Amino acid sequence: EDQVTQSPEALRLQEGESSSLNCSYTVSGLRGLFWYRQDPGKGPEFLFTLYSAGEEKEKERLKATLTKKESFLHITAPKPEDSATYLCAAWGGATNKLIFGTGTLLAVQP
Amino acid sequence: DAGVIQSPRHEVTEMGQEVTLRCKPISGHDYLFWYRQTMMRGLELLIYFNNNVPIDDSGMPEDRFSAKMPNASFSTLKIQPSEPRDSAVYFCASSFGGAGNEQYFGPGTRLTVT
Repeated sequence: EDQVTQSPEALRLQEGESSSLNCSYTVSGLRGLFWYRQDPGKGPEFLFTLYSAGEEKEKERLKATLTKKESFLHITAPKPEDSATYLCAAWGGATNKLIFGTGTLLAVQP
Repeated sequence: DAGVIQSPRHEVTEMGQEVTLRCKPISGHDYLFWYRQTMMRGLELLIYFNNNVPIDDSGMPEDRFSAKMPNASFSTLKIQPSEPRDSAVYFCASSFGGAGNEQYFGPGTRLTVT
């Protein structure tokens, strides 16, 4: 069964304290790995799509990487405004749709 | 563009009542998705349309749920009769060119069934 697992469930960082979020997937024939940010009371907002192992993409303090089994979202010197839930989703497998993980709730304290 | 528009933003109803959620996708987008989000199960795809045609409804929980897309600018998700376990946030999303392309989400409808 296609599955996406994110860890940790929650992460609390001090401002400036870099860390990484993990997204493990078991999807045969992965066609894309997506990262979204979700703020409370809002819909997910697209961040990145990665298509092949070894690919990296950056946006401000965020960098996403992909291997054949997992993806990481690295957060460098985070700020309080980076606080949100980060969702990853895998596209591929037996169905033509995104399979989402349950997310990592990130809190960055000033 | 105003983005994906959903209404209502909040809905409180009693068990057994009919609920209709509405969505206006981004103009020009040819894919529309309905998702449900709960704490326990996260974000789950219910159904998606391509050019107003339902393509995959395997995520629709049961016959109480139905979705329509009468034209390119409007879709509805209906629950009849509603049950307390249907309480969740329902999101509509749209994309251009493919189910695996960047999806733009609406603000969601928070449904509470008492």
